[in-house]
Amino acid sequence: DSGVTQTPKHLITATGQRVTLRCSPRSGDLSVYWYQQSLDQGLQFLIQYYNGEERAKGNILERFSAQQFPDLHSELNLSSLELGDSALYFCASSLASGGNNEQFFGPGTRLTVL
Amino acid sequence: GQNIDQPTEMTATEGAIVQINCTYQTSGFNGLFWYQQHAGEAPTFLSYNVLDGLEEKGRFSSFLSRSKGYSYLLLKELQMKDSASYLCAVLNDYKLSFGAGTTVTVRA
Repeated sequence: DSGVTQTPKHLITATGQRVTLRCSPRSGDLSVYWYQQSLDQGLQFLIQYYNGEERAKGNILERFSAQQFPDLHSELNLSSLELGDSALYFCASSLASGGNNEQFFGPGTRLTVL
Repeated sequence: GQNIDQPTEMTATEGAIVQINCTYQTSGFNGLFWYQQHAGEAPTFLSYNVLDGLEEKGRFSSFLSRSKGYSYLLLKELQMKDSASYLCAVLNDYKLSFGAGTTVTVRA
């Protein structure tokens, strides 16, 4: 158990819908990262927040957005869902940002878009 | 852009040694990580290299050559539970870019 929690564990929805994935980092960690893992794309970095501020952005679609709240939990919002958005979404946290800060991954949310 | 290459699959026998190579071409470099991921589970941290050389951690060792854009993960005394995907990841300016992963199958 990494100490990172994600909810829900599974999510099934229809195309065009909007969903929110939630992540609570390990106690004391200030950085939160979101990743998407699909069978054909591997693990793709989406976005990072550090202490409430956006720190880095990866291959995140405009239909996706995220935020980190004052209590450091984070939410990833996915809208206008398409079949191709079906994937495993991981959240990770680390104490700080960059360098040798080991990222601890949560168990993931499996999103299925029908 | 980021280009991180590692073999797709490797098979080895229990008790043997396997070396997983990773080559990278990235616009910047702040370190290289190796993660282990069992199917359907979260990646777990194995090692971090930022300077050239070998880092040893029990049965797992990781090597880095920055001038060659090359790293390897060495798994010794293989156990059945080591069957998993091994991900090479390069850190560049807060962004961690992952290779596609190498699936290692350990046979009895």
